[in-house]
Amino acid sequence: ELKVEQNPLFLSMQEGKNYTIYCNYSTTSDRLYWYRQDPGKSLESLFVLLSNGAVKQEGRLMASLDTKARLSTLHITAAVHDLSATYFCAVIGGSQGNLIFGKGTKLSVKP
Amino acid sequence: GAGVSQSPSNKVTEKGKDVELRCDPISGHTALYWYRQSLGQGLEFLIYFQGNSAPDKSGLPSDRFSAERTGGSVSTLTIQRTQQEDSAVYLCASSLTQLWNEQFFGPGTRLTVL
Repeated sequence: ELKVEQNPLFLSMQEGKNYTIYCNYSTTSDRLYWYRQDPGKSLESLFVLLSNGAVKQEGRLMASLDTKARLSTLHITAAVHDLSATYFCAVIGGSQGNLIFGKGTKLSVKP
Repeated sequence: GAGVSQSPSNKVTEKGKDVELRCDPISGHTALYWYRQSLGQGLEFLIYFQGNSAPDKSGLPSDRFSAERTGGSVSTLTIQRTQQEDSAVYLCASSLTQLWNEQFFGPGTRLTVL
């Protein structure tokens, strides 16, 4: 059974600090997706990582993918309050192209 | 519209009633997915459509759940004889084609079964 594990599940940060969220998955996949979810809202696509060694950056967020280690990271630089949300990673789960999600990391950035 | 739309946004129903949830995907997207998000189970995949066809319905939680898609566009997820454990947010996503393409999610339908 394909599993996607994120850690930490809860993260409280101070503004201006850096931190990394980790996403491990249990089967081979050369694509990985990061989504953001604000409370009561739907999932917003952040990054699509398409190959081993892929790195993408958007503002204070940077995502990377190591397919050999089956690991993706989402690095937060100089956090600001607006980044408070739940972040999910996901991989393709099967022949139908459905996504298998991690449990999510709830990020809270405090002044 | 530019994005995936879903209706209703909220649905409160009594146990035992039937409900229908609707999803309108992005125009031109042939792949459509239904997921369910609940506190206990996280995000679960329910069913996938390529065009109007759902090749595998094994992700549906029980035989009270059914789904269809018509005209390669709108999809409805029907839950018969709702139970309290069906309470969740039902999310629909579409992508340009099956596999490897980015999925775009709708705002979801929050279902509460009393």
